[in-house]
Amino acid sequence: SQQGEEDPQALSIQEGENATMNCSYKTSINNLQWYRQNSGRGLVHLILIRSNEREKHSGRLRVTLDTSKKSSSLLITASRAADTASYFCATDGSTGNQFYFGTGTSLTVIP
Amino acid sequence: NAGVMQNPRHLVRRRGQEARLRCSPMKGHSHVYWYRQLPEEGLKFMVYLQKENIIDESGMPKERFSAEFPKEGPSILRIQQVVRGDSAAYFCASSRSRGSHEQYFGPGTRLTVT
Repeated sequence: SQQGEEDPQALSIQEGENATMNCSYKTSINNLQWYRQNSGRGLVHLILIRSNEREKHSGRLRVTLDTSKKSSSLLITASRAADTASYFCATDGSTGNQFYFGTGTSLTVIP
Repeated sequence: NAGVMQNPRHLVRRRGQEARLRCSPMKGHSHVYWYRQLPEEGLKFMVYLQKENIIDESGMPKERFSAEFPKEGPSILRIQQVVRGDSAAYFCASSRSRGSHEQYFGPGTRLTVT
C-alpha cells in the first residue's frame, strides 16, 4: 500500500505549546499535502509541499519534507484550542490520479 | 466563490435500497475525486473522474458502486443495494488539474444504512 502513516496517532498538549506530527510514505511522490479535519466535518487543505522542496511555512505551520527518508513533519507553533482536530497527510503517488491518505493524528489542545 | 458542494449532508437508507450522492465541484474545476472514510480511519480513494470520463476507478468496489460526471450537472456516486458496511462518510474533492494541485474537499455526505 502507498498509504501514508501519521505518527503519533493521538497527541494532547497545552495551549501555547508546539505540536509536531510526522508522516511516512512508501513510494516516490510529486507532492505531499497536509489537511485538517474537525470532528464530523470535511477536510481543510493546509499546505502543499513539492518533492523538490525541503521546508515550507504558512502562518503558524511549518512543514518539512525528506524524500530520502520518505517522511514529512507538520509543526504547529503556539497551539490554540481551535487547533484541536485530526491532521492527515496525503501523497499523490506515481500516477497523480489519486491521493493516499494516512490514518491521521488526532490533536487535542487543552485550554 | 462557492466551494465544493455535496448533498445530501446526511442520508439514511435501509439495506437493499439505493443511495445517490451528489457533488458539485468548485467553479473552474473539471477533476472530481471521491473518497470514503470509515469511522476512526483516514480517507480511502475510490474514483477519479473528469467530465464524461472515468480516469481511475481502482478504489471502487467491483459491484454495486458506480460513478459518473456528466457534461452538465454534478458528479454522482451511486450505491445500489446498500449494506450496513457501506455506512461511512463519502467525500468529494475537486481540482483544477490533476497531479500537482491541491484538492478542495466538500463537507461530505454521511451515509447510514439501517
